[in-house]
Amino acid sequence: AQKITQTQPGMFVQEKEAVTLDCTYDTSDPSYGLFWYKQPSSGEMIFLIYQGSYDQQNATEGRYSLNFQKARKSANLVISASQLGDSAMYFCAMRVFGGTSYGKLTFGQGTILTVHP
Amino acid sequence: EAGVVQSPRYKIIEKKQPVAFWCNPISGHNTLYWYRQNLGQGPELLIRYENEEAVDDSQLPKDRFSAERLKGVDSTLKIQPAELGDSAVYLCASSPPAPGDIQYFGAGTRLSVL
Repeated sequence: AQKITQTQPGMFVQEKEAVTLDCTYDTSDPSYGLFWYKQPSSGEMIFLIYQGSYDQQNATEGRYSLNFQKARKSANLVISASQLGDSAMYFCAMRVFGGTSYGKLTFGQGTILTVHP
Repeated sequence: EAGVVQSPRYKIIEKKQPVAFWCNPISGHNTLYWYRQNLGQGPELLIRYENEEAVDDSQLPKDRFSAERLKGVDSTLKIQPAELGDSAVYLCASSPPAPGDIQYFGAGTRLSVL
């Protein structure tokens, strides 16, 4: 079974500063993908960034980067130059590419990020 | 390009009543997912479709929940009868037929059962 752990229920950051949201995962499948989604108060889940288990380099998408440490089974999201619009719930998720769980995203509990002006 | 469309956005019903949610995926996405998100938690998969076929419905409470995806496009999720514990946000997602397929979500339907 797969498991995602987000240990930070809430995080605060000053506008224009960088922030790291923690995510650790557990799976015995060698082929998997890690995802980060943003969920504003309006409710929609917005895809941010993806990292494959065999990718050699850390993924980056604009102000978002994923700090992937495979040996430690961690996939932390780094947001640089925080903006007020970044205030939202952030979910880390994983899917495996084999077995009966194929296609299923397993989500963590989420971290609420608040950006202060 | 239009995203995943869900309706209604909000639904309030009394327990034991039936309710249905509708989802229109992104054009060309053959895989469709229904998730349930309880308050303060991450979404959990209910059912996954590949075209018209439900390939993973192991988490769907089949005594009261049903789903269909006619013609491999739109999908409907139904609850009958609804219980108080069904209050949640029901999210629909779709993904293209490619490895590492990203799942794109709709805005969800927030269900309140009174």
